[in-house]
Amino acid sequence: SQQGEEDPQALSIQEGENATMNCSYKTSINNLQWYRQNSGRGLVHLILIRSNEREKHSGRLRVTLDTSKKSSSLLITASRAADTASYFCATGRNQAGTALIFGKGTTLSVSS
Amino acid sequence: GAVVSQHPSRVICKSGTSVKIECRSLDFQATTMFWYRQFPKKSLMLMATSNEGSKATYEQGVEKDKFLINHASLTLSTLTVTSAHPEDSSFYICSAPTSGPSNEQFFGPGTRLTVL
Repeated sequence: SQQGEEDPQALSIQEGENATMNCSYKTSINNLQWYRQNSGRGLVHLILIRSNEREKHSGRLRVTLDTSKKSSSLLITASRAADTASYFCATGRNQAGTALIFGKGTTLSVSS
Repeated sequence: GAVVSQHPSRVICKSGTSVKIECRSLDFQATTMFWYRQFPKKSLMLMATSNEGSKATYEQGVEKDKFLINHASLTLSTLTVTSAHPEDSSFYICSAPTSGPSNEQFFGPGTRLTVL
């Protein structure tokens, strides 16, 4: 099963612009994670935000979490062509060591 | 950081044959590993949880007799797609959770299966 929706499904921007992706989920969580996937490759962990956090930064990434709305957003600032990839949010079943449930993902294209 | 490998990275087989995919944790032990399937331009769907020393747990709708999982050691899980058919063509990805409470996972690079 999938946890929820991400929007937009596809996003095309120019280098230097910011990209914002949103994710919604259905169940209660103890954290939410964002992953990146280059075409035909495995996933790379980007950032984890805990349920008691509202915002977290890592380099050019900013993640927000609103547990009341069961939603999260990922902001990539000053995007680069190398940021072109698919981005997925994922949540666990509220227990360490359990599988992740992924959103449908946003495909980001950054053109130079 | 910890690395998870998969082998092979790509496989093409004829319909009716069986294909084995290996997932290894390279510098850590994983009593649990997860297998996901991803169709083109789609998200990852959890297929099963591989448990070292015990039977795998399959998600609803996943045929356990078709997708055989063996977690032979603390660093190796295998997924065998038996009697593969074209509709089994997909990208198969394994993951292993890190230690600690965060449930961050390390993902393998994936295996592209094409069944002719």
